[in-house]
Amino acid sequence: GNSVTQMEGPVTLSEEAFLTINCTYTATGYPSLFWYVQYPGEGLQLLLKATKADDKGSNKGFEATYRKETTSFHLEKGSVQVSDSAVYFCALARPNFGNEKLTFGTGTRLTIIP
Amino acid sequence: NAGVTQTPKFQVLKTGQSMTLQCAQDMNHNSMYWYRQDPGMGLRLIYYSASEGTTDKGEVPNGYNVSRLNKREFSLRLESAAPSQTSVYFCASSEAIAGRYGYTFGSGTRLTVV
Repeated sequence: GNSVTQMEGPVTLSEEAFLTINCTYTATGYPSLFWYVQYPGEGLQLLLKATKADDKGSNKGFEATYRKETTSFHLEKGSVQVSDSAVYFCALARPNFGNEKLTFGTGTRLTIIP
Repeated sequence: NAGVTQTPKFQVLKTGQSMTLQCAQDMNHNSMYWYRQDPGMGLRLIYYSASEGTTDKGEVPNGYNVSRLNKREFSLRLESAAPSQTSVYFCASSEAIAGRYGYTFGSGTRLTVV
């Protein structure tokens, strides 16, 4: 079946540091890949997505590239801010596979220290 | 742009009491979902509705019932609340089951059962 494996947290960084949160997946076919962000006390918000191999999703300074050869979709940001403190979820979906639903990773908690 | 609206935002119940969590979306989405989020457990799917008139169990359906009232509304009912149901509940919607564009989430209901 499908699965998403995320870097275990929590991750603590200083402001302006470089961020990488690893995400790898297992799925047949060509899934769409997503990163969601959950700020404290809020629901999940779509951060970025990529729907085919080699696509790069980007938003709010975050980027992730769909790498089919390594089955990865790592989230990166060049210079993090305190406001980036949140929980980040990687997810995949296969739109053409019947009744299959979105598969989420377990989430990575990120804390940025001023 | 309301998106997915959940009510109430907070609720405290006594063991054995019943309540219904409400969810409505204004995006004309076909599919709707109920998740619970517990510390260290990520998101777990309780029930989902692929389309109006259909509902199906997710991975943790015991103790819950759902109703897809119409295309917009999908409610979750706890018939006899238990402390193990203390959690944060999220409703989500998508244009199809494993939508190409992912899910849109509500802001959550924080439920405490004492």
